[in-house]
Amino acid sequence: EAQVTQNPRYLITVTGKKLTVTCSQNMNHEYMSWYRQDPGLGLRQIYYSMNVEVTDKGDVPEGYKVSRKEKRNFPLILESPSPNQTSLYFCASRFWGTTDTQYFGPGTRLTVL
Amino acid sequence: GENVEQHPSTLSVQEGDSAVIKCTYSDSASNYFPWYKQELGKRPQLIIDIRSNVGEKKDQRIAVTLNKTAKHFSLHITETQPEDSAVYFCAASKNTGNQFYFGTGTSLTVIP
Repeated sequence: EAQVTQNPRYLITVTGKKLTVTCSQNMNHEYMSWYRQDPGLGLRQIYYSMNVEVTDKGDVPEGYKVSRKEKRNFPLILESPSPNQTSLYFCASRFWGTTDTQYFGPGTRLTVL
Repeated sequence: GENVEQHPSTLSVQEGDSAVIKCTYSDSASNYFPWYKQELGKRPQLIIDIRSNVGEKKDQRIAVTLNKTAKHFSLHITETQPEDSAVYFCAASKNTGNQFYFGTGTSLTVIP
């Protein structure tokens, strides 16, 4: 089954404790992206990757890191989480070079205390 | 960067009526405009999209129109059903679509 998976689905952590949210897709998509969703703000793009070892900033990259060492995985790293990073995070993927469907993961709800 | 505005933020309609959601964008280079539906607790899912070389696109009860001159595009849902109740997001992208800019969402409620 074609899918995008994220782990963990829910996470409560404390300020400053490094964490990683994993994202994996099995559709051989070149393009992967991370978004955060906050009430009243819609979805905002954090980082995206056009292929292995190629990443770029989206609209709200501050406080986040990403890496793309394998085509199927695109982890989101919060080196020192802060309460303003409490949000719902979505990973997405699609074939690069087209403007076709983005497939979203199930989401990760992160709370930073 | 691009700025996408979406209106209204909430919309209630009677079952069977039509619903219209409007978005405007600022960057005239944007050329791809998808619409996503997000049910409560679920992930966004693409329901329809339109490219800048087309003025209108239909898929059963859903249609999207694009006015490039005015830089706005709209989602039209006809014969609404309770299962259409969800949050709808518009988005804009340009070139190969590396960056996507989303509207703030419209919460649609269809009253049986």
